Amino acid sequence: AQKVTQAQTEISVVEKEDVTLDCVYETRDTTYYLFWYKQPPSGELVFLIRRNSFDEQNEISGRYSWNFQKSTSSFNFTITASQVVDSAVYFCALSGPLIRRLTFGEGTQLTVNP
Amino acid sequence: DAGVIQSPRHEVTEMGQEVTLRCKPISGHDYLFWYRQTMMRGLELLIYFNNNVPIDDSGMPEDRFSAKMPNASFSTLKIQPSEPRDSAVYFCASSPGDFTFFGPGTRLTVL
Repeated sequence: AQKVTQAQTEISVVEKEDVTLDCVYETRDTTYYLFWYKQPPSGELVFLIRRNSFDEQNEISGRYSWNFQKSTSSFNFTITASQVVDSAVYFCALSGPLIRRLTFGEGTQLTVNP
Repeated sequence: DAGVIQSPRHEVTEMGQEVTLRCKPISGHDYLFWYRQTMMRGLELLIYFNNNVPIDDSGMPEDRFSAKMPNASFSTLKIQPSEPRDSAVYFCASSPGDFTFFGPGTRLTVL
């Protein structure tokens, strides 16, 4: 069975602070994929990133960066110099090798205050 | 491409009524998924189709729920009869096999 845990239910920061969202996963698959989605107040789910289990290289995209550590089964997401527009619920998700069903974590509500 | 299209965006109905949610996937995507989001259970997969054929419906909560995909460009999720506990946001998503794209969701309220 697959499981994704996002232990941080809510995080509140002040604009320009860096913030890291934690994600821990469990799977028996040797090949799997990890995802992050953003759900802004408008409600849609916005794809942010996909990583496969064989690629542990960290990735940076603008103010966003992701740290994948297979040894600790973690796939953490860092926003540098946060902005008010980053306020949203962020979901970490996991799929097996065929990327069919996504198993989502509970989500982390990030609030960035001006 | 217009992305995944869902209708209606909001639905308010009374307990016992039939509800039909509609989805148009992105053209060329072989997979279609229905997810439900609630406060209690989070985001959970209800059912998914591959080439219009239901593959896994283990997440469908009970017989009151049914889903169909009569062709590659259309799917429905039907609840009959609806109950207040069905109130949730229902997302349709489609995928060519590697990335999953979500529709805007249908917010269902059953009074």
